[in-house]
Amino acid sequence: DTAVSQTPKYLVTQMGNDKSIKCEQNLGHDTMYWYKQDSKKFLKIMFSYNNKELIINETVPNRFSPKSPDKAHLNLHINSLELGDSAVYFCASSQNSYGYTFGSGTRLTVV
Amino acid sequence: QKEVEQNSGPLSVPEGAIASLNCTYSDRGSQSFFWYRQYSGKSPELIMFIYSNGDKEDGRFTAQLNKASQYVSLLIRDSQPSDSATYLCAVAPFVNTNAGKSTFGDGTTLTVKP
Repeated sequence: DTAVSQTPKYLVTQMGNDKSIKCEQNLGHDTMYWYKQDSKKFLKIMFSYNNKELIINETVPNRFSPKSPDKAHLNLHINSLELGDSAVYFCASSQNSYGYTFGSGTRLTVV
Repeated sequence: QKEVEQNSGPLSVPEGAIASLNCTYSDRGSQSFFWYRQYSGKSPELIMFIYSNGDKEDGRFTAQLNKASQYVSLLIRDSQPSDSATYLCAVAPFVNTNAGKSTFGDGTTLTVKP
């Protein structure tokens, strides 16, 4: 069983489109995150939810909107996609401060 | 100044040698420290975490923490070609709580040559 699963794995779309990425964890963790990894491998936090409550909202364009229907699920919706949004998006979960379990990532390419 | 800085790579060591990866952080209040390994095209995988000053060993891996110097390192003994990956240092402000976030360094790419 995959601990943190993300779909889709690859996403190629045109500028201006709207897309969503879904994440689910079966670890029973309370906290989930979205991170963006750019082409230079730098991981930057975008959002964090603890038990469905948004606790971290970094400086991210309003076009990005996370949603957590329950503590096992965290989705990311992106409106009006831009070229600069191309990156790998990782979902992660954690319990206390024992480190993250990452999903397999979604490689988003905006053309 | 970056919040978390790692020694610039790439780092290349021969098989069987000790690989030493270094990381410094700027927030003196940081409490939790992590090392992740990321193979090319894969997601980061947690390999070590450390909270207290000193050394923590797990198999061939040793994490070292010096909070006074704001320095954390990872030693890989008897390096194997399968250790070739990018190693990410991460720092978090709390222990035993879900509050806060991990801040990552840029990563150091390690190549172990047979």
